[in-house]
Amino acid sequence: NAGVTQTPKFQVLKTGQSMTLQCAQDMNHNSMYWYRQDPGMGLRLIYYSASEGTTDKGEVPNGYNVSRLNKREFSLRLESAAPSQTSVYFCASSPTVSEQFFGPGTRLTVL
Amino acid sequence: DQQVKQNSPSLSVQEGRISILNCDYTNSMFDYFLWYKKYPAEGPTFLISISSIKDKNEDGRFTVFLNKSAKHLSLHIVPSQPGDSAVYFCAASPPDDYKLSFGAGTTVTVRA
Repeated sequence: NAGVTQTPKFQVLKTGQSMTLQCAQDMNHNSMYWYRQDPGMGLRLIYYSASEGTTDKGEVPNGYNVSRLNKREFSLRLESAAPSQTSVYFCASSPTVSEQFFGPGTRLTVL
Repeated sequence: DQQVKQNSPSLSVQEGRISILNCDYTNSMFDYFLWYKKYPAEGPTFLISISSIKDKNEDGRFTVFLNKSAKHLSLHIVPSQPGDSAVYFCAASPPDDYKLSFGAGTTVTVRA
């Protein structure tokens, strides 16, 4: 039982490049989330998926897209990376509206 | 505009003493509150929660207190142990809402 896994762990991009952050959970949770963590800001919700087949914007969705591929997987895509997207990205899942279980994070640097 | 605020960025406490972490919120619709603990290079892990129908919830060395009229909650860790050294995040959500609002975090250092 791996919980929530994220790939890659680290990534360096140049401005304008694109990439997809992958997330998978094996806890059979309905809901999945993407957050970013910046110094002094706590965690801010980018997008979430309440259930398979649905996605909704969070607090800071601009510059990102998501795909809920199936119940297990929820990916985050940066189409044209910008230095302001340098951050640590966390994926999380939850069974319902309750405590969320987080992955280990992806540290992204955009030059 | 941050709806959940942790005004103390850091806290240093001696091993065996009490750690008290504070959190204030502005959204009166929040009715579920959580504390998460985060070690470096790891994701946050759930620690303890409280719903607005209670004013206290206890789990071992961890107790969360909620003062709804003051829109304030606190986390007490007694006794503090070296393994408690971490960043602690307060989070809150309205009823039946998937979206958690997080505070900026408080870094706790437990001194031997």
